[in-house]
Amino acid sequence: EVQLLESGGGLVQPGGSLRLSCAASGFTFSSYAMSWVRQAPGKGLEWVSAISGSGGSTYYADSVKGLFTISRDNSKNTLYLQMNRLRAEDTAVYYCAKGITAQSGWFDPWGQGTLVTVSS
Amino acid sequence: EIVLTQSPGTLSLSPGERATLSCRASQSVSSSYLAWYQQKPGQAPSLLIYGASSRATGIPHRFSGSGSGTDFTLTISRLEPEDFAVYYCQQYDSSPVTFGQGTKLEIK
Repeated sequence: EVQLLESGGGLVQPGGSLRLSCAASGFTFSSYAMSWVRQAPGKGLEWVSAISGSGGSTYYADSVKGLFTISRDNSKNTLYLQMNRLRAEDTAVYYCAKGITAQSGWFDPWGQGTLVTVSS
Repeated sequence: EIVLTQSPGTLSLSPGERATLSCRASQSVSSSYLAWYQQKPGQAPSLLIYGASSRATGIPHRFSGSGSGTDFTLTISRLEPEDFAVYYCQQYDSSPVTFGQGTKLEIK
């Protein structure tokens, strides 16, 4: 069974940093692109970032470009999202999701999400 | 980027009724690169439909997707109590992938 388990969320002050992790199991992790998708409280879904299976290609939404860095460790079956210079508008539940390619495709499955709250 | 507009925002129906949810794209979505997701309160989204009309593994036959170009539809033939949730469409034809704002399906 494919499973994705996020961790690392929490309360952080504006301007602070946080690193999210997503532990994957049940599939050949290195063969699949992975993405982060976020959902602000009571709002819809926003794609944040994606990475190819090898980790050689990365993509970002304009809203986080230069602020967030996606990476993966295929030896540990783990996906990461380093978030720097956090702003109030980054407050959201962050989901990791298994993709098709880094630039296209649907997401299946999704992790349960980890809540990031940016507030003083 | 492609903007997806879902309608209606909220749909109030009773169990056993038919639900029709719409997703309209700001430009043509080629090759029917459109997916639908269901999200229940406090849960992550889950994939229902990909390729506009292909059901994901384990999805009941009462869920069907159709459409092409700029107009897509998710139909639930006979609503079950567990179908009341929020539904999102997503296009993956053009980068960045984008989602619609969602349709809330509520019990009447």
